[in-house]
Amino acid sequence: SQKIEQNSEALNIQEGKTATLTCNYTNYSPAYLQWYRQDPGRGPVFLLLIRENEKEKRKERLKVTFDTTLKQSLFHITASQPADSATYLCALAGSGNTGKLIFGQGTTLQVKP
Amino acid sequence: NAGVMQNPRHLVRRRGQEARLRCSPVKGHSHVYWYRQLPEEGLKFMVYLQKENIIDESGMPKERFSAEFPKEGPSILRIQQVVRGDSAAYFCASSLPVGGAESAEAFFGQGTRLTVV
Repeated sequence: SQKIEQNSEALNIQEGKTATLTCNYTNYSPAYLQWYRQDPGRGPVFLLLIRENEKEKRKERLKVTFDTTLKQSLFHITASQPADSATYLCALAGSGNTGKLIFGQGTTLQVKP
Repeated sequence: NAGVMQNPRHLVRRRGQEARLRCSPVKGHSHVYWYRQLPEEGLKFMVYLQKENIIDESGMPKERFSAEFPKEGPSILRIQQVVRGDSAAYFCASSLPVGGAESAEAFFGQGTRLTVV
C-alpha cells in the first residue's frame, strides 16, 4: 500500500542554521509533491509544489528537491528564524491527479533563538 | 478576498447526535475536499466534491458520514449518530480544477474541531 513517511521526531535547531526535513514514500509514483506549513490550531498553508520532472524548486529561503528514483523529497529552510517554528507536512498527489492529497504525518520544527 | 471559511470552529456534540460542518470555498473554486486530522496524526482524505457531484469518496467511512456540495451554498459534511471516535479536526480545502498535467495548490480552512462527549 502507499506509504509516506516524514521524520517522526521533532527537529530542534538554532536560529540562523539550515533546517532539512525529509519526506519518503513507497509504492507510489506521484505526479507532483507539495509542502505545507501548519501552526497549532490552524489549517495547513501551501508553501511549495514540485512536479515529477523537476529536481529542485526555490522560493525565498525555502528549497525543495524531488528525487523520484530515491522516492524522496527534501525541504530546506535556510537562515532559519524562530517564526519558522511549526509543523511541516509533505503531501503527494493522489492517483488520477484529481487534486486529492495524501499527507505525511508531519515534522515539527522548533527554531531556538 | 476571503479564503476558505469553515464553521463552526468548535462543535461539541453528545454521543448519538448529528454534527453538520460547513465549508465555503474560495470564490471561484469549484473543487472541495474534506480531510480529517486525529490528534498526533496526519491529515486523512475523506471526500472530493464538485458542484452537485461526489467525485471521490474513498476516504469516507461507509456509515454515518455523508457530504454534499450543492449548486448554491456551502459544502456540508454530515456525521450522524456521532461517537467518541469521531472527535477530530475536520478541514475543508478548495482548489481550481486539476487534471492531466495541471496541478493546483489547495487552500485550507481553519478547520472545525469536533468534540463528542
